[in-house]
Amino acid sequence: NAGVTQTPKFQVLKTGQSMTLQCAQDMNHEYMSWYRQDPGMGLRLIHYSVGAGITDQGEVPNGYNVSRSTTEDFPLRLLSAAPSQTSVYFCASSYKDGSSGNTIYFGEGSWLTVV
Amino acid sequence: AQSVSQHNHHVILSEAASLELGCNYSYGGTVNLFWYVQYPGQHLQLLLKYFSGDPLVKGIKGFEAEFIKSKFSFNLRKPSVQWSDTAEYFCAVNAQSSGDKLTFGTGTRLAVRP
Repeated sequence: NAGVTQTPKFQVLKTGQSMTLQCAQDMNHEYMSWYRQDPGMGLRLIHYSVGAGITDQGEVPNGYNVSRSTTEDFPLRLLSAAPSQTSVYFCASSYKDGSSGNTIYFGEGSWLTVV
Repeated sequence: AQSVSQHNHHVILSEAASLELGCNYSYGGTVNLFWYVQYPGQHLQLLLKYFSGDPLVKGIKGFEAEFIKSKFSFNLRKPSVQWSDTAEYFCAVNAQSSGDKLTFGTGTRLAVRP
């Protein structure tokens, strides 16, 4: 059971390049999301998905696209990278805990630098 | 929309000292509350969570947190910290009406001196 797997772990991009951060989970979780972590700002939600074929915007969606063609995969695409997108990106997935809440588990992070 | 405040940005303690990290949230409805820890260079790990029931919840590694609804608080505590507790700690809130979206505080960096 690999949990939440993100690739690549490190990436350097030039301004204007596009790339995709991959995220996969093998726990059959319905809910998946992408966060970015910046110093002094905690984690902010970029996009999320409540199931295959359904995605929605989070707090900071501009400059990013997502799709959810399968339950397992939730890739994050940077359309035209900008230095402001230099950050650490975390993918997460969650399941219903059996009580009233959901527990969210995070991948190991992808460190992205845009120069 | 919910928001989370962590008032201590940096905390420095000596080993064996007691720890309390503050977390306050703003939201009028029912919430789920979490504390996550991030060790240097690593991803977030769940320390503990509160959904309902006993407001005093115990987590891993000797941490506990108390939900005080009247104060909108969910402070994290540990009676005696260790050098290995050096990490960044994040409080997070999930409004039950918002699905699985988490709102995070800005984090508290804890440094424990041996």
